[in-house]
Amino acid sequence: QQQVKQSPQSLIVQKGGISIINCAYENTAFDYFPWYQQFPGKGPALLIAIRPDVSEKKEGRFTISFNKSAKQFSLHIMDSQPGDSATYFCAGSFGNEKLTFGTGTRLTIIP
Amino acid sequence: KAGVTQTPRYLIKTRGQQVTLSCSPISGHRSVSWYQQTPGQGLQFLFEYFSETQRNKGNFPGRFSGRQFSNSRSEMNVSTLELGDSALYLCASSLEPYQETQYFGPGTRLLVL
Repeated sequence: QQQVKQSPQSLIVQKGGISIINCAYENTAFDYFPWYQQFPGKGPALLIAIRPDVSEKKEGRFTISFNKSAKQFSLHIMDSQPGDSATYFCAGSFGNEKLTFGTGTRLTIIP
Repeated sequence: KAGVTQTPRYLIKTRGQQVTLSCSPISGHRSVSWYQQTPGQGLQFLFEYFSETQRNKGNFPGRFSGRQFSNSRSEMNVSTLELGDSALYLCASSLEPYQETQYFGPGTRLLVL
């Protein structure tokens, strides 16, 4: 089964700290790994994505680290802000097949 | 450009009833996917439509069905509602099937009593 396991389920981080969310996948055919951000009352929105030919991708305060041999990837949010409080989903896909999502992480940034 | 719109936003039904949800994709997008979101299961893929044809289907019972119209608008139907069908139903559109960037609508919150 094409699963993507995400942890932790919830995360509380102090403002200015680093938020780290981890995902592990099973399907070695996956070649696209996006992260989605979802605010209450909104649908998920693409935040950042990576392909397995690179080990890291950075966009502003958001960084994806990718470990192909371990079949793991993670999202790092540097200098976390209260506006980052949201639910984050990792996902994987290959070719033109459907996205397989993780179960989500509810991130809360406290002042 | 307007985003993905879903109607209604909230819906309350009772067990045994049926419900129809509507999704209007971003103008020019021809692919529409539907997902069920629940707290414990995350986003579960329901089905995907492209050019009025169902291209793929997730692991849901036959009570869940959908269709796409010639203008790319899509509807999903759930018959004989069960309590477990209570969820947020999300629609996502993209230019082509499973194009990497999918744009999600705000969802329809369905509560089955």
